[in-house]
Amino acid sequence: AQSVTQLGSHVSVSEGALVLLRCNYSSSVPPYLFWYVQYPNQGLQLLLKYTSAATLVKGINGFEAEFKKSETSFHLTKPSAHMSDAAEYFCAVTVYGGSQGNLIFGKGTKLSVKP
Amino acid sequence: GAVVSQHPSRVICKSGTSVKIECRSLDFQATTMFWYRQFPKQSLMLMATSNEGSKATYEQGVEKDKFLINHASLTLSTLTVTSAHPEDSSFYICSARDSRTVNEQFFGPGTRLTVL
Repeated sequence: AQSVTQLGSHVSVSEGALVLLRCNYSSSVPPYLFWYVQYPNQGLQLLLKYTSAATLVKGINGFEAEFKKSETSFHLTKPSAHMSDAAEYFCAVTVYGGSQGNLIFGKGTKLSVKP
Repeated sequence: GAVVSQHPSRVICKSGTSVKIECRSLDFQATTMFWYRQFPKQSLMLMATSNEGSKATYEQGVEKDKFLINHASLTLSTLTVTSAHPEDSSFYICSARDSRTVNEQFFGPGTRLTVL
C-alpha cells in the first residue's frame, strides 16, 4: 500500500525567501507523485507531477520538486516566495494501473508568506 | 483542456433534505470520476470511485445509501446526499480521469455544503 507523509503542517517564510515543503512517500512499486495547491474554498490545482521520467520536475509558478528514490522523498521547492504562494499544499502518490489510479494524499502543509 | 466543473459551488439546506451535486468534465470524456470529502483544515478523503455505466465503489466507512453516486454519462457524475444532517456539512470535491491519462486526475472547484 502507498502512503504519504508531509512534514510540517504549517510552514512560514518571508517574501523572497526559499520555500521548502517536505514530502516522503512509501510505495512497494515505482510511484507516480504529485503536488497540488489549494486556495481557500477552491479545488486542487496541479503544480507538478513525477511519472518516472526526469527526477527533477519543474511545475507552474516557479515550483519544482526532485524525486529521490534513496530517500523516498519528493520535496517541493521555490527559490523565492511570493505573497500569492500562500495556500495549502498537498503531496499525493499513486501507482501505475493500481486501484484505478487512486490518489493517496498527505495531510497537507499550509504555507504562509510574510511581507 | 481538462476542465472539471461542479455545481453548485455552495449550498445551504435544512436537516433532513437531500442535496444533489453535479460534476462535469467539460472538454474530455471521464471514464472514471472520484468524489472526495474535505473537513476544515484537513486533507481530502476519498469517498467513492465511479466508472461510467457502473455502480460506484465506496471506501470503507462511507454509507452508500446516504451518498448516492450516479455516473450515467462520460461527462457527468452526481453525488446526492440523502437526508442530510449537520455532520454532513463539508467541502465536497470531485475529480475526473481521462482514459488516456490513467494516473492523473483533474479536480473540480468543490462544493461547500452547509446543513442547518
